[in-house]
Amino acid sequence: QQQVKQSPQSLIVQKGGISIINCAYENTAFDYFPWYQQFPGKGPALLIAIRPDVSEKKEGRFTISFNKSAKQFSLHIMDSQPGDSATYFCAASPTGNQFYFGTGTSLTVIP
Amino acid sequence: NAGVMQNPRHLVRRRGQEARLRCSPMKGHSHVYWYRQLPEEGLKFMVYLQKENIIDESGMPKERFSAEFPKEGPSILRIQQVVRGDSAAYFCASSPGLAVEQYFGPGTRLTVT
Repeated sequence: QQQVKQSPQSLIVQKGGISIINCAYENTAFDYFPWYQQFPGKGPALLIAIRPDVSEKKEGRFTISFNKSAKQFSLHIMDSQPGDSATYFCAASPTGNQFYFGTGTSLTVIP
Repeated sequence: NAGVMQNPRHLVRRRGQEARLRCSPMKGHSHVYWYRQLPEEGLKFMVYLQKENIIDESGMPKERFSAEFPKEGPSILRIQQVVRGDSAAYFCASSPGLAVEQYFGPGTRLTVT
């Protein structure tokens, strides 16, 4: 049973465009929602995270939008660059003990 | 501040052998988590440890897998009598406490031949 559903599986965006990745969850006990970026052969690196008391968080070109009532959250990458090409994982955690990860989105930014 | 260290980075074992994976958390972090990643899949939680204690092992297979985080030294994930299905990337993460960010190491890629 997949606790966090992520879409799309893959995404191709032109340089300068907006990349949008969506995640949905069911467990209302989740209270921490991070996004990770992973390059081939590397470990996931924390990009940005949000808690349910805010609806949006922005750090540079990366923005998380959070909809508590719909139990959905999304990552927006503005002005996407070829260097952003990587796999992105959303995750959710009820207490911080363990994270439930989405299945990942492979992003390709075309120059 | 050095990041999470894992070794070895690559490990090849024959079926039936033991695999021992090591993880040194970031300085000041006392919480360690192990995850497994299969090709084209997300990360699956295996176990959460604090120094000398297993806090949550709900994601660990019941047999052949064990983990420890001794008072001194790195955390170790041990897989006994490996099988081909154990081939995966194993990631360790650490955090300074609960409900805060987890920082991942570079992973150990286990190949069982």
